[in-house]
Amino acid sequence: GAGVSQTPSNKVTEKGKYVELRCDPISGHTALYWYRQSLGQGPEFLIYFQGTGAADDSGLPNDRFFAVRPEGSVSTLKIQRTERGDSAVYLCASSPGTGVYEQYFGPGTRLTVT
Amino acid sequence: AQKVTQAQTEISVVEKEDVTLDCVYETRDTTYYLFWYKQPPSGELVFLIRRNSFDEQNEISGRYSWNFQKSTSSFNFTITASQVVDSAVYFCALSDHNQGGKLIFGQGTELSVKP
Repeated sequence: GAGVSQTPSNKVTEKGKYVELRCDPISGHTALYWYRQSLGQGPEFLIYFQGTGAADDSGLPNDRFFAVRPEGSVSTLKIQRTERGDSAVYLCASSPGTGVYEQYFGPGTRLTVT
Repeated sequence: AQKVTQAQTEISVVEKEDVTLDCVYETRDTTYYLFWYKQPPSGELVFLIRRNSFDEQNEISGRYSWNFQKSTSSFNFTITASQVVDSAVYFCALSDHNQGGKLIFGQGTELSVKP
């Protein structure tokens, strides 16, 4: 079956611009997670959804970052007024629920802010 | 506070050598889960194992084995008879029982297996 997909795979944007990153989870998975991975580091948690609601957004670095999941499936991570420090790979993962299941990761979106 | 430490940044071995990747964790919770993920050069994280805090039995899966010791807060990963295809970055991760499944990752260990 289809795994987690993320689009675009690469995004280059200028400092100050707005970007949207999309995640399509595995069908039927109710939990969806966003992580950010900087070069040479482990992924860092940003936010997770159970269904349509954000259950924990404690990892979002500041109010320029926002994520939605309006129908409980596809999620969009939105970054306003991008800064060079936002450059990283943004990973999405899904799991069958928010018990502690294994998470299935997508290939990531590499964001470069110039 | 939760924390995962992978002290080995890079390891290089020759094919067929055994190699152990170390993972030390910190948590105040008594119920938690530990994971290992593999990130090959292609970039996509691949799940390897999940262990809960009440199960200290060691696990073996083919050439892979895991040693969980609560007394030392460690969850080490051994690859026996390493192969070139094992070259990747390996991440250890922790999830507390009441955290909704969010993972706290270590810094990763980059394993290079040379022919």
